[in-house]
Amino acid sequence: TQLLEQSPQFLSIQEGENLTVYCNSSSVFSSLQWYRQEPGEGPVLLVTVVTGGEVKKLKRLTFQFGDARKDSSLHITAAQPGDTGLYLCAGPNAGNMLTFGGGTRLMVKP
Amino acid sequence: KAGVTQTPRYLIKTRGQQVTLSCSPISGHRSVSWYQQTPGQGLQFLFEYFSETQRNKGNFPGRFSGRQFSNSRSEMNVSTLELGDSALYLCASSKLVRADTQYFGPGTRLTVL
Repeated sequence: TQLLEQSPQFLSIQEGENLTVYCNSSSVFSSLQWYRQEPGEGPVLLVTVVTGGEVKKLKRLTFQFGDARKDSSLHITAAQPGDTGLYLCAGPNAGNMLTFGGGTRLMVKP
Repeated sequence: KAGVTQTPRYLIKTRGQQVTLSCSPISGHRSVSWYQQTPGQGLQFLFEYFSETQRNKGNFPGRFSGRQFSNSRSEMNVSTLELGDSALYLCASSKLVRADTQYFGPGTRLTVL
């Protein structure tokens, strides 16, 4: 079973701070995706990383895929209240079904 | 282009009843997947339909079933509801039968009393 573990589970920070959330597995994934989910809504895809060592930037968000394709990180610079939400990583398992991590719930206080 | 729509958005049922949830995918998307989201278990895959055929199934009891119509719209049915079925049910669509690039709807919040 390919599992994804996310840490931390909860994060509460002040506006302007930097943060990093992690997505780890003991298994190799062909790709990993990051989603953000806001209350009352479904997850929205932020990025897909495919190549080991790949780094992608989306404004203040930086995503990295581990060299061995077993882990990924999301770094947010100068967090804003609009970044508040549940951050989920996901990857295709052996049956090509999307498996999700438990998520990191981020709260950014003004 | 309109996003994925799900109806109803909220539903309250009692134990033993059955429920049907509906999902309309993005125009041109032929794959529809269903997920259950709970605080304890997170997001779990239920099943995926493509061209009216179930292509993948998660580890859920037979009380959970679904179908897809020729216009790619999909319905999910849960029979003999249990308290533990209370959850946010999410539908996602994609162009192909792939695990990536899925677009989620807002979900249906089901409460079982």
